[in-house]
Amino acid sequence: DTGVSQNPRHKITKRGQNVTFRCDPISEHNRLYWYRQTLGQGPEFLTYFQNEAQLEKSRLLSDRFSAERPKGSFSTLEIQRTEQGDSAMYLCASSFAAGVLGEQYFGPGTRLTVT
Amino acid sequence: DQQVKQNSPSLSVQEGRISILNCDYTNSMFDYFLWYKKYPAEGPTFLISISSIKDKNEDGRFTVFLNKSAKHLSLHIVPSQPGDSAVYFCAASALSGNTGKLIFGQGTTLQVKP
Repeated sequence: DTGVSQNPRHKITKRGQNVTFRCDPISEHNRLYWYRQTLGQGPEFLTYFQNEAQLEKSRLLSDRFSAERPKGSFSTLEIQRTEQGDSAMYLCASSFAAGVLGEQYFGPGTRLTVT
Repeated sequence: DQQVKQNSPSLSVQEGRISILNCDYTNSMFDYFLWYKKYPAEGPTFLISISSIKDKNEDGRFTVFLNKSAKHLSLHIVPSQPGDSAVYFCAASALSGNTGKLIFGQGTTLQVKP
């Protein structure tokens, strides 16, 4: 297994445009998480899936953000009408269900720059 | 509210000496703690974890200590090596809540000088 992969690695977009990121988790993992990291801060939880079900969303996740995991494998995170404040590193992580192995394995991230 | 805090933004140590990174938390529901290491342009890499039923966990050069009464944990790296230079994040989770989401501290940048 090659680990968690994310595409694209970098995205530059103009304010008001929509963007979509993809995450491919480790294949045996049934949990998938999205986090956002800004400069000088640790990653902040956005949302997570167990299989295809989205079970929790942070209040950080405004209505402009939507995430899917249609077949319980890869996931997409879409941001509509991007704002400059959306500029950040978006990290995806996967794990087995909590209580068995709590460690989450992170992908390299997608760096979003909104101009 | 910052539930997990790493109050030292940076730490510099000499190669071969001990590095001690500290982390404090406020939420009593946290029962699982992890340390991650992050290099530039990469995602965080899992390093070591500890359950709240333990007060120490060791893995090679890395040891994590947990003091539940003080709501404090620390990561010891002995001996420190230049390749350990990275940003270290402390994270906490409430496994009993069954979400598994991690709450991270702000990170401490460790520099190990040759």
